[in-house]
Amino acid sequence: NAGVTQTPKFQVLKTGQSMTLQCAQDMNHNSMYWYRQDPGMGLRLIYYSASEGTTDKGEVPNGYNVSRLNKREFSLRLESAAPSQTSVYFCASSRPGQGGYTFGSGTRLTVV
Amino acid sequence: AQSVTQLDSHVSVSEGTPVLLRCNYSSSYSPSLFWYVQHPNKGLQLLLKYTSAATLVKGINGFEAEFKKSETSFHLTKPSAHMSDAAEYFCVVRINYAGGTSYGKLTFGQGTILTVHP
Repeated sequence: NAGVTQTPKFQVLKTGQSMTLQCAQDMNHNSMYWYRQDPGMGLRLIYYSASEGTTDKGEVPNGYNVSRLNKREFSLRLESAAPSQTSVYFCASSRPGQGGYTFGSGTRLTVV
Repeated sequence: AQSVTQLDSHVSVSEGTPVLLRCNYSSSYSPSLFWYVQHPNKGLQLLLKYTSAATLVKGINGFEAEFKKSETSFHLTKPSAHMSDAAEYFCVVRINYAGGTSYGKLTFGQGTILTVHP
């Protein structure tokens, strides 16, 4: 089925470990986004990529890096995980215009 | 800058009674507005969207929302709640002014948890 695919779905890290969250979309969307969801705070934008080859910081970028590998793939990297990064992470994509986003199913990350 | 305020963090209704989830927004430019639903441990699903066409927008599962510019509101309603409506709902604004740095990005409200009692 067309959509946004995130891997892994669950991950437990120790403080200081690194990992990369993967995201791929097959809808030929130009823009891709990474959000984190924390209770009572809605979703907050970490980084986004308006088009292939560009990335920009969102609301809460500290502690993260991203790579727009090609038009389909947008990865999020935690270089040195901290407990404050325990959250649910969502990748999304969108096409130009006024439409909404398509979200992946999320990655639940716990940092201990 | 744009912002979204969901006026209730929790709403509780009985099955078969009306649902009202309230949302106010602020935006310097013409916005698009959305409601997303998230069932427990699931991703986000688009319920409906307003993109400057009809101000009364109908979505999936019997939900609808009315865009009121004078009140800067976009409340979500449903005439009769069903047990399967229990979820968290997010009101979201998207800026459509291409000259601004916020163009195309979504801003989420804090979410409203809807509980439906038998």
